[in-house]
Amino acid sequence: NAGVTQTPKFQVLKTGQSMTLQCAQDMNHEYMSWYRQDPGMGLRLIHYSVGAGITDQGEVPNGYNVSRSTTEDFPLRLLSAAPSQTSVYFCASSPASHRANTEAFFGQGTRLTVV
Amino acid sequence: DQQVKQNSPSLSVQEGRISILNCDYTNSMFDYFLWYKKYPAEGPTFLISISSIKDKNEDGRFTVFLNKSAKHLSLHIVPSQPGDSAVYFCAAKAGTASKLTFGTGTRLQVTL
Repeated sequence: NAGVTQTPKFQVLKTGQSMTLQCAQDMNHEYMSWYRQDPGMGLRLIHYSVGAGITDQGEVPNGYNVSRSTTEDFPLRLLSAAPSQTSVYFCASSPASHRANTEAFFGQGTRLTVV
Repeated sequence: DQQVKQNSPSLSVQEGRISILNCDYTNSMFDYFLWYKKYPAEGPTFLISISSIKDKNEDGRFTVFLNKSAKHLSLHIVPSQPGDSAVYFCAAKAGTASKLTFGTGTRLQVTL
């Protein structure tokens, strides 16, 4: 029972490099989202998707791109990594937004360091 | 503008005693509230939730109280156990939108 799977678990990037954080879920959830966790800041929403082909910006979208070509996958792309993007990234999924009062399921996280 | 606030970054409680974690919110559109627990190097896991039509929800040792007029909720853990040591996040959502807004978290340490 995989749930939400994130890869890689750890990554070190040089400033200016690009990379994609992968997220896949096997629960047929319509809603998927990306958060970053920083000390003292809690979890902040980067981007989210309410279904395949539909994405929208969250609270801190700058420097990140997303796409949702399938229900299962929601990759997060860092276009040109900056030290300010050093963080722990979490992907989450939940059932359709019209079903209120449901919880989100989180992946194990990706710890990214930009040097 | 922090719409969900957890003003205590940390809390230390003895094993067997009650742990009370607090959360305040400012957005009156929030109508569903959740608590998540997070261990180091793991993703947050859902703990308990409450709808705005209720003022209390209980699940075993965990009880969440909601005071809508004060825009305040609290999580009570009784009795506290060492395995409860983790970071607890309060989260809120509005209507049928799936977006969750999180607080900054409270680190709970349960000591022997």
